[in-house]
Amino acid sequence: GENVEQHPSTLSVQEGDSAVIKCTYSDSASNYFPWYKQELGKRPQLIIDIRSNVGEKKDQRIAVTLNKTAKHFSLHITETQPEDSAVYFCAASLAAGNKLTFGGGTRVLVKP
Amino acid sequence: KAGVTQTPRYLIKTRGQQVTLSCSPISGHRSVSWYQQTPGQGLQFLFEYFSETQRNKGNFPGRFSGRQFSNSRSEMNVSTLELGDSALYLCASTTGAGQGFRGANVLTFGAGSRLTVL
Repeated sequence: GENVEQHPSTLSVQEGDSAVIKCTYSDSASNYFPWYKQELGKRPQLIIDIRSNVGEKKDQRIAVTLNKTAKHFSLHITETQPEDSAVYFCAASLAAGNKLTFGGGTRVLVKP
Repeated sequence: KAGVTQTPRYLIKTRGQQVTLSCSPISGHRSVSWYQQTPGQGLQFLFEYFSETQRNKGNFPGRFSGRQFSNSRSEMNVSTLELGDSALYLCASTTGAGQGFRGANVLTFGAGSRLTVL
């Protein structure tokens, strides 16, 4: 089955700096890659997603890149703010189904 | 519109008991998935239901089961509870429409049901 690895497990950045989280997946048939943000005590919320027919997608300060050949995708957060502090999860799935395989999560701390 | 609603939000059980959790998806969503979240294992897929049929299943023992009703509401049941079943159980809904459909696979999660097994 699919396996998703996520690095780093923790990330501490200064406010205003950029943060990058990387994920690799094993199943070349996966074609949908969402990123979820989970604040302490709250539900995971989708922040951005990308499908395999696109190499990059941006939404304000957040961007995701996908390299299908290497089977990895990354989340980039620019101009980080304290409210970006949370756990971020990457995931992969086949478009034909709704089974998400999640990475282990990255705890991001933005220091003021 | 209302989001994904899970009940109960918190519950405490003892080993050997069983538990039933409920999930009401977003109106119009026909697919409901269940995930287990623990500090050690992260987020793991349990199963997905679409139109009252189990469409996908994760690698959990048979003690974990679920069902979906005609109104798309779903329940999951865990029998003969073990200490390791203590977790946050998250339900997520989506339209369930096929590949290429805008919004396909975009899961919206509920707040979860936190189960503690003593």
